[in-house]
Amino acid sequence: DIQMTQSPSALSASVGDRVTITCRATQSINTYLSWYQQKVGKAPTLLIYGASRLQSGVPSRFSGSGSGTDFTLTISSLQPEDFATYYCQQSYTIPPTFGGGTRMEIK
Amino acid sequence: EVHLVESGGIVVQPGGSLRLSCAASGFPFDDFTLHWVRQSPGKSLEWVSLITWDGSTTYYADSVKGRFAISRDNSKASLYLEMNSLTTEDTALYFCAKDSDVAAAGNSFEYWGQGTLVTVS
Repeated sequence: DIQMTQSPSALSASVGDRVTITCRATQSINTYLSWYQQKVGKAPTLLIYGASRLQSGVPSRFSGSGSGTDFTLTISSLQPEDFATYYCQQSYTIPPTFGGGTRMEIK
Repeated sequence: EVHLVESGGIVVQPGGSLRLSCAASGFPFDDFTLHWVRQSPGKSLEWVSLITWDGSTTYYADSVKGRFAISRDNSKASLYLEMNSLTTEDTALYFCAKDSDVAAAGNSFEYWGQGTLVTVS
């Protein structure tokens, strides 16, 4: 199975900050990488697929990049509603696998 | 609007069995691959199983292979997960999820239900 490693595991930031989360795969996954946001007590929601393609309805302050084994999720200007946990997920092979998550907290 | 509503989660003893259901609406159910994904308390997400649009192909995580069975009834727009030989390691919130069905996305999860809690104790 492909292992996904996210960093950092937790992040403190302020409204308006630019933040970046990284995700690394144990082997090349081309651009088969998705990012999800999960708020406490809620289901995850899809933000980005295909490494850089913004899911319909997701604000443009979210962006993704990368290919091969290294990927990033960037939020250009943090909003209060963005404080949540973020997960990456590879969809290159079955089983699909997730990173351990990055918990974003208010500084 | 897409809706996925899971049900069937309860407290069950180790070694027991359970059947989860997921009722879907708001999209052409029989066109899409569907998944079960679980999340243990305080932990990350773990993909459990998938079933293709016609039910002809299924895949399972190694952790549940031989114990869980995924199925669907397209006439009822419903997805199921039969769970047997449950252990405490199966305690989790179980989500059903609709596949993105976009080539660039591979098997990613476009819509999720709110989950149903299975506690093995």
